[in-house]
Amino acid sequence: ETGVTQTPRHLVMGMTNKKSLKCEQHLGHNAMYWYKQSAKKPLELMFVYNFKEQTENNSVPSRFSPECPNSSHLFLHLHTLQPEDSALYLCASSPQSGRTYNEQFFGPGTRLTVL
Amino acid sequence: DAKTTQPPSMDCAEGRAANLPCNHSTISGNEYVYWYRQIHSQGPQYIIHGLKNNETNEMASLIITEDRKSSTLILPHATLRDTAVYYCIVRSENYGGSQGNLIFGKGTKLSVKP
Repeated sequence: ETGVTQTPRHLVMGMTNKKSLKCEQHLGHNAMYWYKQSAKKPLELMFVYNFKEQTENNSVPSRFSPECPNSSHLFLHLHTLQPEDSALYLCASSPQSGRTYNEQFFGPGTRLTVL
Repeated sequence: DAKTTQPPSMDCAEGRAANLPCNHSTISGNEYVYWYRQIHSQGPQYIIHGLKNNETNEMASLIITEDRKSSTLILPHATLRDTAVYYCIVRSENYGGSQGNLIFGKGTKLSVKP
């Protein structure tokens, strides 16, 4: 499999559930990103990992907990979410964060609905 | 906040050139212009980027004005599959800092019609 994959593609959860989103990249990149795209709003950068280290947390609430066990995998653990957290969650990777010429490759996203 | 201004929507006839404008009047000398697009229900896709010279690849051409305050993305022969939201992003050449991140605005929704 090539590129950036995300699972699940669709997720419905209650406010008291705990779930995790998974992202995997097969491009040999060292940087990975989580973005949130709410309805009719621009993409918002949530977290950046560079060489497995978190380099950016864009004031994201603690109910979202990222994990990057290695450069190929990125998780977003979800706990006690609110209905307004319903959105498309996109993962991306690039050779290295913060550098030009390193375009980001995006996965297809996970469509999350919080009831 | 995004540093660019784009029209919210545009139409283009299939087979014709689509010219998507972008204003970035506050761009600084070390900032590049990037274009991405997002087809409905998919992740964004990189198209092209440039600093001050015009650029062309297999997907599109990027024309940057001499003062670098605006640019135009050109899809030479638009097809129905080019219907998407197109994002113009100004991005700093920054090694390791947040200025190198992609900041998405609302983009231009391009509708290619038969």
